[in-house]
Amino acid sequence: QKEVEQNSGPLSVPEGAIASLNCTYSDRGSQSFFWYRQYSGKSPELIMFIYSNGDKEDGRFTAQLNKASQYVSLLIRDSQPSDSATYLCAVRNTGNQFYFGTGTSLTVIP
Amino acid sequence: GAGVSQSPRYKVAKRGQDVALRCDPISGHVSLFWYQQALGQGPEFLTYFQNEAQLDKSGLPSDRFFAERPEGSVSTLKIQRTQQEDSAVYLCASSSTSALSSYNEQFFGPGTRLTVL
Repeated sequence: QKEVEQNSGPLSVPEGAIASLNCTYSDRGSQSFFWYRQYSGKSPELIMFIYSNGDKEDGRFTAQLNKASQYVSLLIRDSQPSDSATYLCAVRNTGNQFYFGTGTSLTVIP
Repeated sequence: GAGVSQSPRYKVAKRGQDVALRCDPISGHVSLFWYQQALGQGPEFLTYFQNEAQLDKSGLPSDRFFAERPEGSVSTLKIQRTQQEDSAVYLCASSSTSALSSYNEQFFGPGTRLTVL
């Protein structure tokens, strides 16, 4: 079982819609959760982090964490074509090791 | 420096050659991470330094891989006797906080794309 699992997609949404990206993790004691965006041929850049159960909002982005279900998600409201990228979920586990998922490819259609 | 820099950006090696990849973290950042990213995959953790101490090298795939950060700033990842399966992008990331802190934002460099022929 992989430490972090994501649907690879591709996920396509029309411009202005809500994009929902999901991630599950295996280590129940994991402490911190991160969403990175990676454009093709570029390095990952941090969008949001979360470490408490519930929702965390930052502009058009909302991260949701449910530790009981070992599930973390990212919602992108009012999706824009510039949001088209691969979104990587990363988890810091109880051993303070960082694991990334394989990423979900998002395409926002104008 | 504005961000994390890595050199070279591209490296082509013949199988069996040794390579050295350099990472210059953001000035003052205590944490430095190396990742390997194969095509279509997420970054895979290789090793972690806090200042000059290598606290975790559990992700290094074999004893052909070696990393150092002797003065707590610049780091070098060395791969001996390269194999075709070593072909990947090697990413370096740095952070102002320890990996043990709840919040650890990692800033990534542009990566070194290694191709082993």
